[in-house]
Amino acid sequence: TQLLEQSPQFLSIQEGENLTVYCNSSSVFSSLQWYRQEPGEGPVLLVTVVTGGEVKKLKRLTFQFGDARKDSSLHITAAQPGDTGLYLCAVYRGSTLGRLYFGRGTQLTVWP
Amino acid sequence: EAGVAQSPRYKIIEKRQSVAFWCNPISGHATLYWYQQILGQGPKLLIQFQNNGVVDDSQLPKDRFSAERLKGVDSTLKIQPAKLEDSAVYLCASSSKMSGVSYNEQFFGPGTRLTVL
Repeated sequence: TQLLEQSPQFLSIQEGENLTVYCNSSSVFSSLQWYRQEPGEGPVLLVTVVTGGEVKKLKRLTFQFGDARKDSSLHITAAQPGDTGLYLCAVYRGSTLGRLYFGRGTQLTVWP
Repeated sequence: EAGVAQSPRYKIIEKRQSVAFWCNPISGHATLYWYQQILGQGPKLLIQFQNNGVVDDSQLPKDRFSAERLKGVDSTLKIQPAKLEDSAVYLCASSSKMSGVSYNEQFFGPGTRLTVL
């Protein structure tokens, strides 16, 4: 079983629509990160959330960490073609920093 | 500031052949990571270096994969012999130490796409 379950796996929408993607687990985390990966590139860190219930905004992207720190969501308002990419959630597990575990990701395509 | 550099960007080999990937991390970053990303999955850590020492190689298939980071800067990842299931993107990342927190920011290179025929 995956440590992090992301849904949906694929999402195809028109420009201007809103969307939410999810990252869920049965484990509790001290922090959770969201990365975006564009075709032919490596993942790029978007945000780190550390407090239960925390909400962070990055322009049209809103990230929320669940109250119990087991899940997170990413909401995009008025999606644009430039938002197209693979959205990955990730957590550190183990002693000190430990290793970074990624979910399978949500592949988002925004059509003009 | 220059990012993480990787080469080659693409490589096609036949099974049982050997292949090597090169990574140059961001200047000053002590920690270097190699990940394997199979199509449709998130990256999976293969090995983590702190300077030139191995911190975690528990997921590295040591019968065929090897990695080194001489002088604590550049790193190479080698596969010998390659299998069909090694077809994937191999990502290199680096990070600097952040004190007082349980996370850091990893900076990824563009990856090497390996196809094993």
